[in-house]
Amino acid sequence: AQTVTQSQPEMSVQEAETVTLSCTYDTSESDYYLFWYKQPPSRQMILVIRQEAYKQQNATENRFSVNFQKAAKSFSLKISDSQLGDAAMYFCAYMDSNYQLIWGAGTKLIIKP
Amino acid sequence: DTGVSQNPRHKITKRGQNVTFRCDPISEHNRLYWYRQTLGQGPEFLTYFQNEAQLEKSRLLSDRFSAERPKGSFSTLEIQRTEQGDSAMYLCASSPRTAAYEQYFGPGTRLTVT
Repeated sequence: AQTVTQSQPEMSVQEAETVTLSCTYDTSESDYYLFWYKQPPSRQMILVIRQEAYKQQNATENRFSVNFQKAAKSFSLKISDSQLGDAAMYFCAYMDSNYQLIWGAGTKLIIKP
Repeated sequence: DTGVSQNPRHKITKRGQNVTFRCDPISEHNRLYWYRQTLGQGPEFLTYFQNEAQLEKSRLLSDRFSAERPKGSFSTLEIQRTEQGDSAMYLCASSPRTAAYEQYFGPGTRLTVT
């Protein structure tokens, strides 16, 4: 069975600095999707970025980028120029062949002004 | 496009009572998913529908849980004889036919069983 592990329960970063959130996963499949979702306090889950496993190029969305290491089964999220609005729980998720999401436990990101 | 909506947003019930939640997906999204999220954890898959067909159910979904999606539109999730362990956020997501990997989430229904 696939699993997703986020080893950092909480991270903090100074506003305008860069932070990297870690995620590892386990699967025997070769084709899949990986996601980072953001869940602000008392608000709904928002997609931050998506990576297709067959693509070697790392996905980028404005200040958010990933470091996808397929062989190592690692999928980290880098947030550049951190803003106060980035404070949230960040979840790494794996999508299996049935399009079901399997989630990590989350990392709470604190932005220090 | 008004997004995925869920009602009610909060529900407090006494142990043993039945509760029903509703999810309205984004218009014309053919897939609909239910997840459960307990405090401090990531969501866990419960079940999903493609149109009106319920294609998969997690082992987390005991006999007390039932979900429907009549006519492939809105979906309901019912919990019978609620237990304190059912207290959680119940999330609904939908995805379009052309991009099944894109799941759009609703705000969730927070259930508290006293």
